[in-house]
Amino acid sequence: AQKVTQAQTEISVVEKEDVTLDCVYETRDTTYYLFWYKQPPSGELVFLIRRNSFDEQNEISGRYSWNFQKSTSSFNFTITASQVVDSAVYFCALSEGGLGNEKLTFGTGTRLTIIP
Amino acid sequence: DAGVIQSPRHEVTEMGQEVTLRCKPISGHDYLFWYRQTMMRGLELLIYFNNNVPIDDSGMPEDRFSAKMPNASFSTLKIQPSEPRDSAVYFCASSWGVGTPNTEAFFGQGTRLTVV
Repeated sequence: AQKVTQAQTEISVVEKEDVTLDCVYETRDTTYYLFWYKQPPSGELVFLIRRNSFDEQNEISGRYSWNFQKSTSSFNFTITASQVVDSAVYFCALSEGGLGNEKLTFGTGTRLTIIP
Repeated sequence: DAGVIQSPRHEVTEMGQEVTLRCKPISGHDYLFWYRQTMMRGLELLIYFNNNVPIDDSGMPEDRFSAKMPNASFSTLKIQPSEPRDSAVYFCASSWGVGTPNTEAFFGQGTRLTVV
């Protein structure tokens, strides 16, 4: 069975600090997909990134970066120079096999608060 | 595109009443998902469709829940009779399928259901 663990329930940092959100996953499949979604206070879920299990390259998108390490089953998310607008709940998710969109298993989320 | 559209945004109903949640997926998407978010259980998949056909409904909590997708542009999630423990935010999501490079799910804004 697949499982996603986000051990950090809540994190608060001062604006402009860097912050890393941890995600550890469990799966028996060799083909799987990892995701990060953002849920701002307005409630919608916003897709941030998808990674498949064969692509371990780290990715950077503006102030966001993701570190995928199969050896430790981790897919961590770093926000550089955080801003108040980054305040949200962030979810890591896993999908086994298929096209990568079926049966997302979500972690419990990390609530990030950026203090101005 | 307007994104995934859910209605109503908020629903308050009395225990025992029938509740119908509606979803219009993004045009062209051939996968549709229903998720539920609660404090206790987090985000969990209820059911998903491919080309209007239910593929996996193992997440549907009990027979009081039913979902339909009569055509590619509309789906409903019905709870009959509703109970207070059904109170949650229900998300609909859609995605592309085979033959497309990006199959991540895009979520609607959710329906906040309160059963009193």
